[in-house]
Amino acid sequence: GAVVSQHPSWVICKSGTSVKIECRSLDFQATTMFWYRQFPKQSLMLMATSNEGSKATYEQGVEKDKFLINHASLTLSTLTVTSAHPEDSSFYICSALTGGYQPQHFGDGTRLSIL
Amino acid sequence: DQQVKQNSPSLSVQEGRISILNCDYTNSMFDYFLWYKKYPAEGPTFLISISSIKDKNEDGRFTVFLNKSAKHLSLHIVPSQPGDSAVYFCAASVNTGTASKLTFGTGTRLQVTL
Repeated sequence: GAVVSQHPSWVICKSGTSVKIECRSLDFQATTMFWYRQFPKQSLMLMATSNEGSKATYEQGVEKDKFLINHASLTLSTLTVTSAHPEDSSFYICSALTGGYQPQHFGDGTRLSIL
Repeated sequence: DQQVKQNSPSLSVQEGRISILNCDYTNSMFDYFLWYKKYPAEGPTFLISISSIKDKNEDGRFTVFLNKSAKHLSLHIVPSQPGDSAVYFCAASVNTGTASKLTFGTGTRLQVTL
């Protein structure tokens, strides 16, 4: 149980393009999903917390207009990187919670490469 | 400000021996700790967790120890197997009973050799 699916797994696109990444909880309902970013050989850095039906809470330093998050249902959250530039190239990972005292379950991540 | 630290970037252990991965934290408000295992190009997989009211939690080959006074936790894997080779992240949170965000360490790459 507690499977999280992330799509796409790899994206290569031109600078200036907007890219949407989907995160789905397949066998449970997730009222809360999290979006992380990981640079090579570094830790996972939390970008934002996404709550179903409300606005996402962004971590300090994360541009909310750059990284648009929509959590429209209990099984789907999307992250849109708007007008992506090479510095946005990174590994983006989502996670979902089944409940308050449960561990987060992670998707397999999306490798984003902006040319 | 790195609140969760894994000071050993890599560790090599022979198959069958014990692997000990260490993690230190600075935020005394953390009360829930987790270990995740991560393969390249995949998301982290949850391994084991421990609440601050305990000092040990065991699940099969994996045991996590928590020393609150030292703000230190460790993951013991015994016996180590080649399939355990991966990057291990420790994470911590302040568990409010709702959606608690995780703070991750920088990871330790474990290599289990034959």
